[in-house]
Amino acid sequence: EAGVVQSPRYKIIEKKQPVAFWCNPISGHNTLYWYRQNLGQGPELLIRYENEEAVDDSQLPKDRFSAERLKGVDSTLKIQPAELGDSAVYLCASSSRHRTTNNEQFFGPGTRLTVL
Amino acid sequence: GEDVEQSLFLSVREGDSSVINCTYTDSSSTYLYWYKQEPGAGLQLLTYIFSNMDMKQDQRLTVLLNKKDKHLSLRIADTQTGDSAIYFCAAGFEGNAGKSTFGDGTTLTVKP
Repeated sequence: EAGVVQSPRYKIIEKKQPVAFWCNPISGHNTLYWYRQNLGQGPELLIRYENEEAVDDSQLPKDRFSAERLKGVDSTLKIQPAELGDSAVYLCASSSRHRTTNNEQFFGPGTRLTVL
Repeated sequence: GEDVEQSLFLSVREGDSSVINCTYTDSSSTYLYWYKQEPGAGLQLLTYIFSNMDMKQDQRLTVLLNKKDKHLSLRIADTQTGDSAIYFCAAGFEGNAGKSTFGDGTTLTVKP
């Protein structure tokens, strides 16, 4: 079974530029998460989807961040415009309540964003 | 909201036991997890424990939960150099479909 796929793995942009990250969760996983992980810290939830519905986006900076999961499968996270403080690793994870009993999340390798 | 705290660094010798500690604040947490993160990779679930348990053993891993003190620990027996990584404690809730709060991670260094 393929794991969570993310692209690109690395992205370097100048401040004020837009950037987009893509995630393909494990097949059949209805819940998808986007996290931001700053250096030396744990992941912080940005947004959580149940199928195509964003059920928790309270931590998403909506002035510059947006996300979509139109068909309830893959998802895109966008930042426009990027700021220096957005440099971090952006992690995507997925889970399925129907396949596990412990709400385990499966993580992708992340996209490392550097804003210059 | 939930706050999860861990010590930042632990260094042990190969073959020794490692104990990584974690505290959390929300007593209604249902699941307590330990994830491992190797350089350049995402997090991988190592083990977990339900809040109605006080111990779980899985090969070299032993998880202890003190629900009264909201304290969780992960013991790795016979620590190997391949165990060097960052270990994250996380707390999750039954009614919130997998939402978890993560600590900042403990960097485990295993010296030969």
